Amino acid sequence: EIVMTQSPATLSVSPGERATLSCRASQSVSSNLAWYQQKPGQAPRLLIYGASTRATGIPARFSGSGSGTEFTLTISSLQSEDFAVYYCQQYNNWPPVTFGQGTKVEIK
Amino acid sequence: QVTLRESGPALVKPTQTLTLTCTFSGFSLSTSGMCVSWVRQPPGKALEWLALIDWDDDKYYSTSLKTRLTISKDTSKNQVVLTMTNMDPVDTATYYCARMDYDKGYFQHWGQGTLVTVSS
Repeated sequence: EIVMTQSPATLSVSPGERATLSCRASQSVSSNLAWYQQKPGQAPRLLIYGASTRATGIPARFSGSGSGTEFTLTISSLQSEDFAVYYCQQYNNWPPVTFGQGTKVEIK
Repeated sequence: QVTLRESGPALVKPTQTLTLTCTFSGFSLSTSGMCVSWVRQPPGKALEWLALIDWDDDKYYSTSLKTRLTISKDTSKNQVVLTMTNMDPVDTATYYCARMDYDKGYFQHWGQGTLVTVSS
């Protein structure tokens, strides 16, 4: 089973600043990587799939990059509504699909 | 518009069997490529994939939980049912159902989740 490791666990960022989140896979997942945003009491929301393609309705300030084992989610200028927990998920040769443990983006 | 909604007991006792139902609309699970999955999340913890059923009635399970899980579908009712046997307090979690396209592998649509607490 592929293990996904996210870093950091918590990221403190001021509104308007850039946030960079990392996700590492224990073996190559090619570009089969998705990112989700989850706010308290809500279901996850798909942000990025294929490592870099924004899902429908996702603002351009969210961007994804990487392939193989190293991936990055960048939020170019944090808005108040972006403070949340972010999860990566690999879907290479599923099942199973596996999620990272999450990165919480909090207000600095 | 795709919607999914989970239903089931909010509280179960240890050793009991949990039965959850996902009722969906906006797509048919008899359509080629459609899949419905269950994912859970213990309070304050990460997401964990549990099981998936596809349009062809193929079923896939988490390796660590496969002996306790059964997933099934009722296409006429637009429902997917998950049963989990021998519940334990560590199974306390919010349980989500989500739709996945077979050729994609990520979850575009999620239910709102249902919190299940395991306690005597």
